[in-house]
Amino acid sequence: DAKTTQPPSMDCAEGRAANLPCNHSTISGNEYVYWYRQIHSQGPQYIIHGLKNNETNEMASLIITEDRKSSTLILPHATLRDTAVYYCIVRVGGNTGKLIFGQGTTLQVKP
Amino acid sequence: KAGVTQTPRYLIKTRGQQVTLSCSPISGHRSVSWYQQTPGQGLQFLFEYFSETQRNKGNFPGRFSGRQFSNSRSEMNVSTLELGDSALYLCASSIQPPNEKLFFGSGTQLSVL
Repeated sequence: DAKTTQPPSMDCAEGRAANLPCNHSTISGNEYVYWYRQIHSQGPQYIIHGLKNNETNEMASLIITEDRKSSTLILPHATLRDTAVYYCIVRVGGNTGKLIFGQGTTLQVKP
Repeated sequence: KAGVTQTPRYLIKTRGQQVTLSCSPISGHRSVSWYQQTPGQGLQFLFEYFSETQRNKGNFPGRFSGRQFSNSRSEMNVSTLELGDSALYLCASSIQPPNEKLFFGSGTQLSVL
């Protein structure tokens, strides 16, 4: 079902930028890309979303390629508290379809 | 503004029993979706409701059902529980679909013995 592909795990040094990639090659023109993260034992938390332009908020930046087939979530200065599972999601089947979370990327921030 | 509230937080049942989980969305949110999370399968989509209508359903057996009330609160029911139904059940609300800015509750941890 999943329309997104992410690496299963990544490491990042504390204080460095964490760049998490996501492939969504079958995304439709009007489908947004959303990013969430889940810290152990908590519900997922919204991070950021975008359609075609790059986006930035207080948590992260989202870079979407011009062809919209992939995107990268950037945590500019990763801290130990950013250790979590990061999910990139789109709606499968257009705006009337199902919202599916893939397996996500486990980001381990190391001191 | 209060967040998404799920009750109960923990639940222990035995095989064959049935269970009902409750979800109160954020005030003003009319869409509720449910997810099952297990270590092996990750987050799996169960259902999505909007204005008391099931909008989408995941690939789960008919033992899993849900409903949404006029006040947007939602319940999900699992009948004839199996050991494999042990999981964290998460509810999320949003203003209305297709709005993917979801707000999740803390979940109900169901253990089936």
